[in-house]
Amino acid sequence: DAGVTQSPTHLIKTRGQQVTLRCSPKSGHDTVSWYQQALGQGPQFIFQYYEEEERQRGNFPDRFSGHQFPNYSSELNVNALLLGDSALYLCASSSNRVSSYEQYFGPGTRLTVT
Amino acid sequence: QKEVEQDPGPLSVPEGAIVSLNCTYSNSAFQYFMWYRQYSRKGPELLMYTYSSGNKEDGRFTAQVDKSSKYISLFIRDSQPSDSATYLCAMGILNRDDKIIFGKGTRLHILP
Repeated sequence: DAGVTQSPTHLIKTRGQQVTLRCSPKSGHDTVSWYQQALGQGPQFIFQYYEEEERQRGNFPDRFSGHQFPNYSSELNVNALLLGDSALYLCASSSNRVSSYEQYFGPGTRLTVT
Repeated sequence: QKEVEQDPGPLSVPEGAIVSLNCTYSNSAFQYFMWYRQYSRKGPELLMYTYSSGNKEDGRFTAQVDKSSKYISLFIRDSQPSDSATYLCAMGILNRDDKIIFGKGTRLHILP
């Protein structure tokens, strides 16, 4: 049973560019949440997707957007990258039938903005 | 005041010792409490979760919640070098539309 997978593993971008990160949830899960984890900090909630719609959003600007596909996989898009966007981006999946708090994380995508 | 406070450490203890990790919180609406373990350059791994006051045990790990004091703890018995990692507390409200709030994490080193 595959767990949560994310791609790519690492990414280097230049300020002002756009980036797309991808996530496939754990088998049987239908809800995907995205988090940003800066070095030495805990994960910060970006948003959550369920039934292909954004259900909840944290304090992140509109430059951060997402999408969920019918197979429950998800994308995180960040436009007009800033140096401060450099972080580990984590995807977590859960089952809406059980509890959205039992979240299982992927290995993350490390984004470096230069 | 931050919603969740966690001492970043590092905390160094000898192998075999009992480890105590703690978090405090300010929002009395939090009802669901979790502990994650995160190894370097990896995603967090869910260790334990509970939504009631009291103790919950799983192998060498015990999670303790004191809602009256807004204080949660994770105890690790017979600590091993493989327990060396960052431990994150997290909490949420029993409403499926609410987000989870994480602490900053405590770096733990178990010395052989």
